[in-house]
Amino acid sequence: SQKIEQNSEALNIQEGKTATLTCNYTNYSPAYLQWYRQDPGRGPVFLLLIRENEKEKRKERLKVTFDTTLKQSLFHITASQPADSATYLCALGDYKLSFGAGTTVTVRA
Amino acid sequence: DVKVTQSSRYLVKRTGEKVFLECVQDMDHENMFWYRQDPGLGLRLIYFSYDVKMKEKGDIPEGYSVSREKKERFSLILESASTNQTSMYLCASREQGALYGYTFGSGTRLTVV
Repeated sequence: SQKIEQNSEALNIQEGKTATLTCNYTNYSPAYLQWYRQDPGRGPVFLLLIRENEKEKRKERLKVTFDTTLKQSLFHITASQPADSATYLCALGDYKLSFGAGTTVTVRA
Repeated sequence: DVKVTQSSRYLVKRTGEKVFLECVQDMDHENMFWYRQDPGLGLRLIYFSYDVKMKEKGDIPEGYSVSREKKERFSLILESASTNQTSMYLCASREQGALYGYTFGSGTRLTVV
């Protein structure tokens, strides 16, 4: 069956450092992969979409890579700030998305 | 600012009640989705709709139905609420096409007692 796995451990990092989150998937051949941010008690917010033929995509301090051979996406938050503290979800699919369980990031001042 | 509005933030219902969760979007999006989110399980797709009056089952449709009579509104119905349907329910919409992200509502936290 299809499976999406994200870092099971929460990530605690110092302000200014780079946070790196992992999304691994099995039994998928997605053409697109998306990343979302979710704050406690709120709905997820779309951040980035990367296509299978794009190796890397950037948006401000965010960088996403997509390796279809490894079946893995990496999500980087550079120069992290306390305001980046949230849960980050990866999602796969085309007309309907399947989501990972998320990785919670806490950035310490 | 584009919006997906869910009618209630918190709901408490009794076992066996029929429950309606309403979702309205103001973006003229064709696609709408209902997910539930539970700790450790992530978001699971209940139902989705490509367009008005169209609906398809997601991964966990049992115990739920949906209605989409107008493009902007997508309702989730719990036919006979049970305690295992206690969850956070999230509605989302999207333009037609896989290149677009979802816009989610703020969620409805439903407790069935």
